[in-house]
Amino acid sequence: AQSVTQLGSHVSVSEGALVLLRCNYSSSVPPYLFWYVQYPNQGLQLLLKYTSAATLVKGINGFEAEFKKSETSFHLTKPSAHMSDAAEYFCAVSPNNAGNMLTFGGGTRLMVKP
Amino acid sequence: KAGVTQTPRYLIKTRGQQVTLSCSPISGHRSVSWYQQTPGQGLQFLFEYFSETQRNKGNFPGRFSGRQFSNSRSEMNVSTLELGDSALYLCASSLEGTGLYEQYFGPGTRLTVT
Repeated sequence: AQSVTQLGSHVSVSEGALVLLRCNYSSSVPPYLFWYVQYPNQGLQLLLKYTSAATLVKGINGFEAEFKKSETSFHLTKPSAHMSDAAEYFCAVSPNNAGNMLTFGGGTRLMVKP
Repeated sequence: KAGVTQTPRYLIKTRGQQVTLSCSPISGHRSVSWYQQTPGQGLQFLFEYFSETQRNKGNFPGRFSGRQFSNSRSEMNVSTLELGDSALYLCASSLEGTGLYEQYFGPGTRLTVT
């Protein structure tokens, strides 16, 4: 069985500061890993994904994440936060051989202070 | 290209009734997945359809069912509604069902059960 843990349900940063959102997973097989963002009253938008190619993955809007197998982690970072980054972020995992079934973490709400 | 559309966007039903939600995937996409989002349980996978066949099913009671048509449009049905079924129901479509391809999410249907 797979599971995803996101440390910190709420994270607050100042505009221009580093954004770090933490994600740890457990999976019996090498998984695919994803980060999604959700703005109020909207669906989910894919930020980036890891599918066993490069361990450092670059996504949209300046976000990137590094897959660390030894730490079973896939933390999301952005060097400089913008006000428009305020949203809820979800880490998700899917098995690499069983279709499009995503298991999500509990989500982290990012707040950006001016 | 038009995105994933879900109808209706908002729905209010009474306990004990049944409801049908509709999802139209992006043109050419063959995989459709459904998720339930609630404040208490977060995002949970309901089921996935690929080429009209249910390929994966989450841990939900039999009151939750779905189907996919030959044009890839999908419907999900919830019978004998309970208060706990109040949630945002998200549909996602993907070109193929391997996990390698991005899942595009619709805006969701917000179901309120009274």
